[in-house]
Amino acid sequence: EVHLVESGGGLVQPGGSVRLSCAASGFMFSSSWMSWIRQAPGKGLEWVAHIKEDGSVKRYVDSVKGRFTISRDNAETSLYLQMNSLRAEDTAFYYCAKDKPGGSYESWGQGTLVTVSS
Amino acid sequence: DIVMTQSPDSLAVSLGERATIYCRSSLSVLKTSNNMNYLAWYQQKPGQPPKLLIYWASTRESGVPDRFSGSGSGTDFTLTISSLQAEDVAVYYCQQYYYIPINFGQGTRLEIK
Repeated sequence: EVHLVESGGGLVQPGGSVRLSCAASGFMFSSSWMSWIRQAPGKGLEWVAHIKEDGSVKRYVDSVKGRFTISRDNAETSLYLQMNSLRAEDTAFYYCAKDKPGGSYESWGQGTLVTVSS
Repeated sequence: DIVMTQSPDSLAVSLGERATIYCRSSLSVLKTSNNMNYLAWYQQKPGQPPKLLIYWASTRESGVPDRFSGSGSGTDFTLTISSLQAEDVAVYYCQQYYYIPINFGQGTRLEIK
């Protein structure tokens, strides 16, 4: 069974940084694209970034380009999101997700909440 | 960027009745080389992450009840619940995964009438 567990969220000041982690198990992590998707409290879903199986391709939504970095460690079966220069509008639940071939999301973690506030 | 628009924003249906949710994309998500529509549907219940229901516009995910079905092609898509059950109360999202940025519709809240 696929299991995705996010961690690293919390309260951070505007302009600050945080690193999210997603521990994956139950599937061949090194053979799966992985993604981060966020959801502001009470709002809709927003794709943030995704990364190819070997880490050679990374793409981002424009609003986080230059501030967020997605990465992975296939040996540790973990996905990461380094978030810098945080803004109030980055406040959201951040979900990691396992991509199906093609780009839909077949498994999601429970999410971790990042709150950007002074 | 492509825009995904769902209708209606909210919907109330009686138990056992049909529920229909629409999703329109501002650009076609049909890839002609493989004749696949890059469109998925998700269900999200309060306090839970989204759950994949349908991908490739009409392929039901394993374990999803067959009362859920997806149809459409190009720019216009439909999610149908043939006989609404109490456990289907949720917010439903469509998603296109053909273009970058990948994006979602605004969501449709489904309630019991």
